[in-house]
Amino acid sequence: AQKITQTQPGMFVQEKEAVTLDCTYDTSDQSYGLFWYKQPSSGEMIFLIYQGSYDEQNATEGRYSLNFQKARKSANLVISASQLGDSAMYFCAMREVHSGNTPLVFGKGTRLSVIA
Amino acid sequence: DSGVTQTPKHLITATGQRVTLRCSPRSGDLSVYWYQQSLDQGLQFLIQYYNGEERAKGNILERFSAQQFPDLHSELNLSSLELGDSALYFCASSVESSGVEETQYFGPGTRLLVL
Repeated sequence: AQKITQTQPGMFVQEKEAVTLDCTYDTSDQSYGLFWYKQPSSGEMIFLIYQGSYDEQNATEGRYSLNFQKARKSANLVISASQLGDSAMYFCAMREVHSGNTPLVFGKGTRLSVIA
Repeated sequence: DSGVTQTPKHLITATGQRVTLRCSPRSGDLSVYWYQQSLDQGLQFLIQYYNGEERAKGNILERFSAQQFPDLHSELNLSSLELGDSALYFCASSVESSGVEETQYFGPGTRLLVL
């Protein structure tokens, strides 16, 4: 079963508007971490934000915030005041801890295009 | 700049050949991960090393191997290359190997094209 699902292959947003990128996950672990990465057209993977399964507050990092709904198993990324430089692929990823195996499992990504 | 370096940035080679991709983790990071990003498979975990020892294996082909050296840099060796091995190969590093909160920082990647 797919662990991370990103249902939006592509999204458009007007500059200065907010946008929400969806991510749902599947795990039976109680302890896990959720991450968002940005991949611009140049190819590098840039870490944006982290949310732990036990964190009671939603994570925020500058213009990025994570709307974490544990019961729904969703971890949506909210980008406020979009900028042209936010145009990129965005990947949601999860890390579980069991049997000492802790790589990241990625979703297929959402391509965000910011329009002037 | 994540602090993770990868060389080379681009690599063009022929089928059947062997290549070596190199990664230097961030200063202080003990754990190195290798990922492959292709159009059809997305981002897939290949292998992880922690302080010189193999810690976890993912969907890594038998034609591929890796190691982490005493200075903590890592190399990914790809042999008997096939067209389907063309992909972007990422190295990532983190301080420890366990703990859900450990953030992995990615290098710029090596873009491999097999002709």
